[in-house]
Parts: sequence; structure tokens; C-alpha cells
Amino acid sequence: AQKITQTQPGMFVQEKEAVTLDCTYDTSDQSYGLFWYKQPSSGEMIFLIYQGSYDEQNATEGRYSLNFQKARKSANLVISASQLGDSAMYFCAMREGARSNYQLIWGAGTKLIIKP
Amino acid sequence: EAQVTQNPRYLITVTGKKLTVTCSQNMNHEYMSWYRQDPGLGLRQIYYSMNVEVTDKGDVPEGYKVSRKEKRNFPLILESPSPNQTSLYFCASSRDRVGGYTFGSGTRLTVV
Repeated sequence: AQKITQTQPGMFVQEKEAVTLDCTYDTSDQSYGLFWYKQPSSGEMIFLIYQGSYDEQNATEGRYSLNFQKARKSANLVISASQLGDSAMYFCAMREGARSNYQLIWGAGTKLIIKP
Repeated sequence: EAQVTQNPRYLITVTGKKLTVTCSQNMNHEYMSWYRQDPGLGLRQIYYSMNVEVTDKGDVPEGYKVSRKEKRNFPLILESPSPNQTSLYFCASSRDRVGGYTFGSGTRLTVV
């Protein structure tokens, strides 16, 4: 079974609009962490935002926020006021607390294209 | 600047010719890991290291070796590369269990 599911293979969004990228996860651990990364066409992997399973507030980092709904096991990334430079692949990832190897489990990614 | 440095960025090699991809971090992180990224398969962990001289297999370790003789360095070794190891490789490091992961810029390897 997929541990991280990103249901949107690709999205087109008009510049300056807000964007929500979906991510659902599956774990039986009580302690886990959720991450979002951005991968531009140049290939590097850029850390965006982190949410811990025990964090009561939704994480925010500048224009990025994470809509964490624990009961639904979803961790959607919201980008406010999108910019052309936001065009990239976006990956959701999870680190489970019970695993001792610090491994990140990755979703398949969403390709976001911002239209001018 | 805190970073993970991988070299080379691009490499084309022939089947069977041993190669090493270097990875170095300047953040004194204990944890380091290697991933490969393939279209449709996402990122998969190859090997990881919890500290100096402590390494273990990830999900796809076949055909790879690693070593961790110093805290800052974690090279990936392909003793006899094959075309199915053509991929984009990432090295990553983390301070601890709850910290974010810092990735290197990636190494695009082609084995012909």
C-alpha cells in the first residue's frame, strides 16, 4: 500500500492565485513528521516546510503553509500568491517515528506550472 | 554557508568502470543518506549512516557501497556500474530525528 499519495500528477495555475497541493499519508505510528520539498527543473531538492505529528498548529513558512488534518491523514501544501518561480515538482514525504533509519518515504510528486 | 556538497553534478561512464560520487556536509550532522530518483518511482533510499562507521542498507542497496570514515563525508561507490544504475542521485543529511533534511544538488549519472 502507498504510504504517501499525491493524487495530482500535474497542475496549471494562474500567477498570483493560491495553490493547494494534496498529500495523504498512511501510518500507524503516533509520532511522525511530514515534509514538503520543491524540485525545480535544475534538479536540486529544496526543503519547504515541516509538520510534526504532535504539532498543534499548522506549519507556516513565508508563502507556504501546511494544512494538517490529522484525523483525515492529510498534509496539503498551500502556496499563497503563486509566482512564476514556483513552477516545479513538489514532493510530499514522511518520516515515521518507529523506523530507526530516519528514512523519508516519498510521494510520486505533483508538477506545478504557473501561467503568466 | 550550511550545505551538502556532491560531486560530480553530471557523469557519463561505461559499464563496469568503478566510480565514486562524493558527498560532504559542513553542518556536523550525524545522519547521512543516499537516494536515487527515477521517473515514476520517486526517491528511494540506497544506504544510510547514523554516525561514523555506522552504515546500513536502505531499500535499494544492490550494486552500491558506502563508507563513513569521517562525520562529514559519505561517498557512494559503484564498483561495477550497469545501465540500470542510470539515475539522479541525492545525498542528504540531518541533525537528528526531528530535523529537516538538507539535500545535495544531485548527481546525474548515465551508464552506457
